[in-house]
Amino acid sequence: ETGVTQTPRHLVMGMTNKKSLKCEQHLGHNAMYWYKQSAKKPLELMFVYSLEERVENNSVPSRFSPECPNSSHLFLHLHTLQPEDSALYLCASSQGRAQQETQYFGPGTRLLVL
Amino acid sequence: QKEVEQDPGPLSVPEGAIVSLNCTYSNSAFQYFMWYRQYSRKGPELLMYTYSSGNKEDGRFTAQVDKSSKYISLFIRDSQPSDSATYLCAMGPLGGTSYGKLTFGQGTILTVHP
Repeated sequence: ETGVTQTPRHLVMGMTNKKSLKCEQHLGHNAMYWYKQSAKKPLELMFVYSLEERVENNSVPSRFSPECPNSSHLFLHLHTLQPEDSALYLCASSQGRAQQETQYFGPGTRLLVL
Repeated sequence: QKEVEQDPGPLSVPEGAIVSLNCTYSNSAFQYFMWYRQYSRKGPELLMYTYSSGNKEDGRFTAQVDKSSKYISLFIRDSQPSDSATYLCAMGPLGGTSYGKLTFGQGTILTVHP
């Protein structure tokens, strides 16, 4: 295991639901990330947090709302999603925020929006 | 034009074969290069990274970078069924304020059959 856990592992939701994805890292890292992985597409960086401060927001729609209450936990709050938001959502963490830092990924949450 | 192009495959080879996985890129600012491996139902894990042009070897794996041609490769010697996974190239610039911002290829699906 990489030291990064994600819950739930699978989620099915309707377009009017509100749900949250949770990520926890046990590595003592200072930076955390949310990625979206869709079939046959590259990983898309969504958000970056460094020391609980959001430092990157990659033009993500407002129906995705991140929260980082402390350096070990990261949430992604979801509301009024669209079917095209169905994907694997990956959380990652790294020691620092330099570009060349190794990122450790969790197993992901497989999301299906009906 | 995509910043990073990676042949998605799928690639199927017999056990013991030499595998070549490739990515091309267009951004001259990219200075460090990574290869991630992603097994089914898991998150990506870092396999190798390199900063310079030339070859870097680690066991059965060799990462090759040609900055003049903007081309990187991962070679797997004596491939094993346990190498069956999706391989993702990733790259980024050094310095600046792009916090951990990697640009990924779309991944190549590799199957090594006994």
